[in-house]
Amino acid sequence: GESVGLHLPTLSVQEGDNSIINCAYSNSASDYFIWYKQESGKGPQFIIDIRSNMDKRQGQRVTVLLNKTVKHLSLQIAATQPGDSAVYFCAENSGGSNYKLTFGKGTLLTVNP
Amino acid sequence: NAGVTQTPKFRVLKTGQSMTLLCAQDMNHEYMYWYRQDPGMGLRLIHYSVGEGTTAKGEVPDGYNVSRLKKQNFLLGLESAAPSQTSVYFCASSYSTGSVEQYFGPGTRLTVT
Repeated sequence: GESVGLHLPTLSVQEGDNSIINCAYSNSASDYFIWYKQESGKGPQFIIDIRSNMDKRQGQRVTVLLNKTVKHLSLQIAATQPGDSAVYFCAENSGGSNYKLTFGKGTLLTVNP
Repeated sequence: NAGVTQTPKFRVLKTGQSMTLLCAQDMNHEYMYWYRQDPGMGLRLIHYSVGEGTTAKGEVPDGYNVSRLKKQNFLLGLESAAPSQTSVYFCASSYSTGSVEQYFGPGTRLTVT
């Protein structure tokens, strides 16, 4: 079946730098693309979502970009902080429903002080 | 609000034993989900519920059963545990409309020997 995948399994950045986490998706029918953050030993936490009719959405220190032409999603974190160290998952709503999500395998972001 | 809580946090089972994982949410959410997370993989949907008294199969339902007798609770049962069910289990809940944001519990680490 269709699935969401990630380009890089690990990413290491210096504190204060910007981080970019990438994701490839294959389900053209998905309406929403979502980013979750999972800190060690905790459950995933919603960061931001973007609807399929948008190219860009900004939150607090985060920006999600959606390129439907190449089926690519990215999460940009500005001025990365040690507290941003976590695994980041992209997800998409399966089959267009609001509630069934398909998750990617995750990218581990490590922020070096 | 406590959000989403899960009981127990850790459990070790022998092959063939049964157990029930309890999930509770106090946000009056209609939708609830059970996921499993294995090393190096994203979350995979086991079963979900779109309302009290309803359940449906997700991506990996075999070997699990669920019940949603009360709106705030969602139970996941393993009738005859197998080593392949060793995993971290996450419960989540969400509103029925207008959002793809799911709220996750802290997880239950299950080991089957």
